[in-house]
Amino acid sequence: GQQLNQSPQSMFIQEGEDVSMNCTSSSIFNTWLWYKQDPGEGPVLLIALYKAGELTSNGRLTAQFGITRKDSFLNISASIPSDVGIYFCAGQLRGGSARQLTFGSGTQLTVLP
Amino acid sequence: NAGVTQTPKFQVLKTGQSMTLQCAQDMNHEYMSWYRQDPGMGLRLIHYSVGAGITDQGEVPNGYNVSRSTTEDFPLRLLSAAPSQTSVYFCASKLTANQPQHFGDGTRLSIL
Repeated sequence: GQQLNQSPQSMFIQEGEDVSMNCTSSSIFNTWLWYKQDPGEGPVLLIALYKAGELTSNGRLTAQFGITRKDSFLNISASIPSDVGIYFCAGQLRGGSARQLTFGSGTQLTVLP
Repeated sequence: NAGVTQTPKFQVLKTGQSMTLQCAQDMNHEYMSWYRQDPGMGLRLIHYSVGAGITDQGEVPNGYNVSRSTTEDFPLRLLSAAPSQTSVYFCASKLTANQPQHFGDGTRLSIL
């Protein structure tokens, strides 16, 4: 199957700092998705990217679909305590089958007061 | 995570027991999937369905069965639970193939 490398695995940052995380793959994806998972809950969609080069924002979050279609990054500006959680990237191949969706292993974000 | 409902939220089983994890969605989504989440391994696809009466295997299907008799429901069955099936299980659904999935809140399953 497809492999996604998500980094970093974990981050400890001070409140107010900016955060950046990314996902890379040896395969080309047609869609990149970013999810956040709070403790004890399911992943919630943050941003969906559908075109190479696309840059999309959702409040303090910004994500980009890499030009090569093999990578994506997520930035969080001015972090706050409620940003704590696990962030997952996911790459979707053309066709949209569940077998064609691959998840990264997640970035655990801790925001220190 | 309104729309995808998973029950129970927690379950402890003994090795060899069977049980069914329930998943229901009220968004008229055709596509539904089951994942398991283990530490450091992200989400792995167990089984999925593209509509009522149609199911297929994912990446890690062994030990699990599914059926899709209605659009709303997609239960996951463990026929004979094993400790290796201790995990958090997530159900997800989407309206069309090209839309992102919506996840339920998960079932935390421990097999002793």
